[in-house]
Amino acid sequence: NAGVTQTPKFQVLKTGQSMTLQCAQDMNHEYMSWYRQDPGMGLRLIHYSVGAGITDQGEVPNGYNVSRSTTEDFPLRLLSAAPSQTSVYFCATKIGEETQYFGPGTRLLVL
Amino acid sequence: GNSVTQMEGPVTLSEEAFLTINCTYTATGYPSLFWYVQYPGEGLQLLLKATKADDKGSNKGFEATYRKETTSFHLEKGSVQVSDSAVYFCALKPNTGNQFYFGTGTSLTVIP
Repeated sequence: NAGVTQTPKFQVLKTGQSMTLQCAQDMNHEYMSWYRQDPGMGLRLIHYSVGAGITDQGEVPNGYNVSRSTTEDFPLRLLSAAPSQTSVYFCATKIGEETQYFGPGTRLLVL
Repeated sequence: GNSVTQMEGPVTLSEEAFLTINCTYTATGYPSLFWYVQYPGEGLQLLLKATKADDKGSNKGFEATYRKETTSFHLEKGSVQVSDSAVYFCALKPNTGNQFYFGTGTSLTVIP
C-alpha cells in the first residue's frame, strides 16, 4: 500500500514548455486534489475531483488543466509554463468528509 | 469568506520548552479545524482535528481546543523535542463543500 505517490520529485522547465505532474493513489479514495505551496502563502487549492470523470476548479486554477479518467490517477498539466508557476505541488486524497492524505510533493522550477 | 491566520514564524525553542502556535479563523457556519505537520522534504500529515465547538484534538502530546467564542484553535505542547522540528499548518474545512483553507504555516525548530 503505497498511499499517494507523485512523480517527478523535481523538475526544471523553461518558460513556455509543457509538462504533466503525475499523482496516483492505491487507497480507492474518490476525492483527489492538487495544491501549490508557496512561501508565506500556505497551500492553495488548484483543482479537485470528486470521482472519475468529474473535476472542478479550486482557488488558483489558471494555467493548469486536470482530468480524471480513473479513480487511481489525477494528473496536473501545465500547457505553457510560466515563472509564476515555480512552486511545490502536492496531491492529496480524502476519505469521508475530512481526513486528507498528502503525497510527498513535486518541486517545480520554471526559468 | 473563509480564512485562517497563523502566527508568523520561525519559532525556535529549546528542548522541553512549552510550545504555543496561535491560529484564528474566519468561517461561515461551523467548520472543522485541523493541524497538519510537514517534516522536511515530506508532504503534510494530519496531526489532530476537532469537528465542533469545545472539542479538544490531541495526538503525540500536542493539543488544540476548538474555541468558537474566540474563533481560535491554538496548538500547544508541554515539552517539545528535537523531533518536533517541522512546519505546522492550521486549516479549516467548512461544513459544506470540499475545499480546505490553510494558514501560511509556522516553522518550528527545537534545539538540544
